[in-house]
Amino acid sequence: DTEVTQTPKHLVMGMTNKKSLKCEQHMGHRAMYWYKQKAKKPPELMFVYSYEKLSINESVPSRFSPECPNSSLLNLHLHALQPEDSALYLCASSQDVGSSGNTIYFGEGSWLTVV
Amino acid sequence: AQSVTQLDSHVSVSEGTPVLLRCNYSSSYSPSLFWYVQHPNKGLQLLLKYTSAATLVKGINGFEAEFKKSETSFHLTKPSAHMSDAAEYFCVVRKSMEYGNKLVFGAGTILRVKS
Repeated sequence: DTEVTQTPKHLVMGMTNKKSLKCEQHMGHRAMYWYKQKAKKPPELMFVYSYEKLSINESVPSRFSPECPNSSLLNLHLHALQPEDSALYLCASSQDVGSSGNTIYFGEGSWLTVV
Repeated sequence: AQSVTQLDSHVSVSEGTPVLLRCNYSSSYSPSLFWYVQHPNKGLQLLLKYTSAATLVKGINGFEAEFKKSETSFHLTKPSAHMSDAAEYFCVVRKSMEYGNKLVFGAGTILRVKS
């Protein structure tokens, strides 16, 4: 089973709302990632968690707050977003962050629209 | 620094004809390279990966890629295109960072398959 599950698939939120994106994997992976993909652009890394600890933050604004409650779950808490934050948010996982041979598996993504 | 350049933003082929999607890489050491495919409004699916084993890498759905160090290329090919191959394809390199690795995506190539 090489599945990364993301919910919700679509989310529309106002600029004053607080919402969360959720991601789950049951492959025993210890590294999990959030990527952001704007329309007609490639994905860009936001955060990396390794063994449930934040290891990489690519200078993401604080209105995006990641959380890794356990090794299978990864959340992205959203607050006071701007319309330009509308994008496809992709979760991914891999066995760990250290090995160059590890495959990174992606979920289907959550489409976020900020109005 | 590791990076990839996809040489064509759009490629159009007829069904049943060969597919060639071009990618050049830049890396100061032997890179880990990947091809991912993204169908419209979907997440990313791994097609194949190169991690310094065999230079000819076979992937899913009849795709393969050849790592050529002398040309710093990792082009994706398929002998016969199918309508279902229409999608966006990303060439990706793994970049080492202080606290782990991250994927760096090329700009993407949109493949159109004509009937």
